[in-house]
Amino acid sequence: RKEVEQDPGPFNVPEGATVAFNCTYSNSASQSFFWYRQDCRKEPKLLMSVYSSGNEDGRFTAQLNRASQYISLLIRDSKLSDSATYLCVVPPMDSSYKLIFGSGTRLLVRP
Amino acid sequence: GAGVSQSPSNKVTEKGKDVELRCDPISGHTALYWYRQSLGQGLEFLIYFQGNSAPDKSGLPSDRFSAERTGGSVSTLTIQRTQQEDSAVYLCASSFPGLAYEQYFGPGTRLTVT
Repeated sequence: RKEVEQDPGPFNVPEGATVAFNCTYSNSASQSFFWYRQDCRKEPKLLMSVYSSGNEDGRFTAQLNRASQYISLLIRDSKLSDSATYLCVVPPMDSSYKLIFGSGTRLLVRP
Repeated sequence: GAGVSQSPSNKVTEKGKDVELRCDPISGHTALYWYRQSLGQGLEFLIYFQGNSAPDKSGLPSDRFSAERTGGSVSTLTIQRTQQEDSAVYLCASSFPGLAYEQYFGPGTRLTVT
């Protein structure tokens, strides 16, 4: 099993829709998780962190399900500008810096 | 302030040639990372520098790859005798030590080996 797995998508949704995608991880001891956003042909940028209590930032909500070993990202009221690839990131237990990036889920928001 | 900068933005080279990719991190960020991203793939860790400590080179795919960081700031990634499978976007990132999850990435160098 890969350390981090994501559905590549694309998720194609209309503006205003609510969309959610998951990321599964293999290391049950992982404590922290992160979502990065990468626009087409651009560099990744940190979107939000996910700890045990989850995290909400405006239209974005990230949650952790330890029992099933996945994290989710929910986007409400999708905007055209949300179109991007969302990368799930898990720090490995043996390193505090060698982040493991998922291959990303692509989101397309259409007018 | 200025973000992470990388040069060149694009590099086309012939198989067998050597290339040098440059990264200038954010001022004050002592941690510096190199990644490789192939089309449609996730980021592949290559190497990590932190201050004056020995770099973590565990992600370098072969001995044709090397990197150095001079004066704790600018870093150069060198690929010798390039192969077609080296074609990818090479991304550099920097962060404050202890905040590795919050990495700031440069725009990348798109390397094409013909």
